[in-house]
Amino acid sequence: DAGVIQSPRHEVTEMGQEVTLRCKPISGHNSLFWYRQTMMRGLELLIYFNNNVPIDDSGMPEDRFSAKMPNASFSTLKIQPSEPRDSAVYFCASSLILAGGPRETQYFGPGTRLLVL
Amino acid sequence: QKEVEQDPGPLSVPEGAIVSLNCTYSNSAFQYFMWYRQYSRKGPELLMYTYSSGNKEDGRFTAQVDKSSKYISLFIRDSQPSDSATYLCAMTSGGSNYKLTFGKGTLLTVNP
Repeated sequence: DAGVIQSPRHEVTEMGQEVTLRCKPISGHNSLFWYRQTMMRGLELLIYFNNNVPIDDSGMPEDRFSAKMPNASFSTLKIQPSEPRDSAVYFCASSLILAGGPRETQYFGPGTRLLVL
Repeated sequence: QKEVEQDPGPLSVPEGAIVSLNCTYSNSAFQYFMWYRQYSRKGPELLMYTYSSGNKEDGRFTAQVDKSSKYISLFIRDSQPSDSATYLCAMTSGGSNYKLTFGKGTLLTVNP
């Protein structure tokens, strides 16, 4: 069974350019998470979708960041315009969360390494 | 004060050593505690999962939670070079809150 798939794996871009990161969650999972990882701040949750609906976007740093989940098998995280301080590893994770059910594992993708020059 | 504190290390031990990794936290609402392992240039993967206080053992790994002290630990017995990775603690209050709060991670190297 394929795990969480992210693309691209590496992205190098210049300041001011638009960056789009893509994620395909594990089939059957109903929850999707976007994280950012840096040495300074560690792993931070950016946004959480449940059944394709954004539930918590309080971690999105500013209006330059946006995320969509048009269907259960695809999500994008967009940065426009990109800045050098956005350089980080961006992870997508998915999970099956049932109301009132036990806490389930989040399965992480391999990440996208973003470098903004 | 950060919600979750974790010593970043690095921690270097010889093969076969017992390793102790720890996190402290400040939010008394946290009830679910996890340890993730992250190999270099990979995504984190769940290693251990514990609800409330107590111990949980899985092979060479033991997770301990002391809610009264707001302190969690991961012990690795007979450490192997393949255990070399970054270990992140994570926790959540549960209920309708699915947000995980992570420690920054401890980099462990097990030398052959």
